Parts: sequence; C-alpha cells; structure tokens
Amino acid sequence: GIQVEQSPPDLILQEGANSTLRCNFSDSVNNLQWFHQNPWGQLINLFYIPSGTKQNGRLSATTVATERYSLLYISSSQTTDSGVYFCAGGADGLTFGKGTHLIIQP
Amino acid sequence: EAGVAQSPRYKIIEKRQSVAFWCNPISGHATLYWYQQILGQGPKLLIQFQNNGVVDDSQLPKDRFSAERLKGVDSTLKIQPAKLEDSAVYLCASSLWSNSPLHFGNGTRLTVT
Repeated sequence: GIQVEQSPPDLILQEGANSTLRCNFSDSVNNLQWFHQNPWGQLINLFYIPSGTKQNGRLSATTVATERYSLLYISSSQTTDSGVYFCAGGADGLTFGKGTHLIIQP
Repeated sequence: EAGVAQSPRYKIIEKRQSVAFWCNPISGHATLYWYQQILGQGPKLLIQFQNNGVVDDSQLPKDRFSAERLKGVDSTLKIQPAKLEDSAVYLCASSLWSNSPLHFGNGTRLTVT
C-alpha cells in the first residue's frame, strides 16, 4: 500500500513564526487531505488538495502530484495552531502519515 | 449542518469482553469510514463503506472485529473478544462520496484492561 512520510516529526516555534510541513508519498494519489488534531483529539479537515494550491486564512497548501509531495504552510503562528498535523492520501480510503507535532509557544 | 456523531465517548472493558461503537454520519454522506488511532500514531483505516456496501476491509482483523452499515446510514463496529492491544481511539468519518473531504467524529476512547 501507499507509504506516507511526514517531516519534521516535531516542531517548536514562537508565536508569530512561519512554518512549512512536508508530506511525501510512495506512489501517486488522487485523494490528498491535510488535517489538524487539536490537543483534545478532535480531527479537523484543513484541505482537500489532490493537486494545486489552496489558501484558507493563515494556512495554505500546495500539492505537486507529479512529484508525489505536498506542503502545508502556516503563517503568523498562534498558540491555537498547536497540535498534530496529518497528511493523508490514497485512491479512496486515506492512508495517514505519522504526523508533525507542532507546539507554538507564547 | 450536524457533524459526525459517535457514542459512547469512553469505554473501559476487560480483555476477552465484547464492545460495540456506534456512528451516525453527516446527512447525505454516502461514504463512511472506521479508523483506529493508537496513541502517538496516525489513524489507520479499518473499513470503508459506500452506502451499505463494503469497499475496503483489508486491514480489519476479521477474527475479532466486525462492522455493518444497515440501510446505508448508521454504522456499528464491534470487537469480540477484545485484546489489550485494541486499546485505542476509534474514529468514524464520513464524506459525500469516496474521493471528497473527510469529516471525523470525536471518537470513542477504548481502554482494555
């Protein structure tokens, strides 16, 4: 099956900093999504982005399908951005990566 | 719109006992998923339904896990008998169709002692 590799595994930043999270896939996917799991365990869908670029407020994502990777950009980080960021991809059912654990310090 | 509903929120059982989880997807969503999330890991797909048919159950431990989605709406996931390694959060998700944004419920945290 598809292998999903996320980097970095951990990231600690000060409030206001910018960050880039990366996701590599072992094979082509036509379904690619980014999620944020908050400290209470709730998983929130951030982007459905099998290709191209999307923006939502301070967050944006870019997927280069031909090179099998996706990037999530977080600008002007806030403490509420803390949590684990997962990318997931596949044909239909999604395979998740191990996540990037982000801590934003005030 | 109402989100994905799951119950119970927490469950503690002894090994070899049985347990069932319930999920009500977002209205109109044809695709329903059950994921298992062990502490510190990403969610792992157990089973995917399209309406009331199974699309993928390749990672479901069928000797002890079973799932059904009667009438293409609500779904139940059952474990019988439970093992210690089944301790995890069981997440239900739904999407409009198979390749569209997933929406997760709050999950059921299962502890097997």
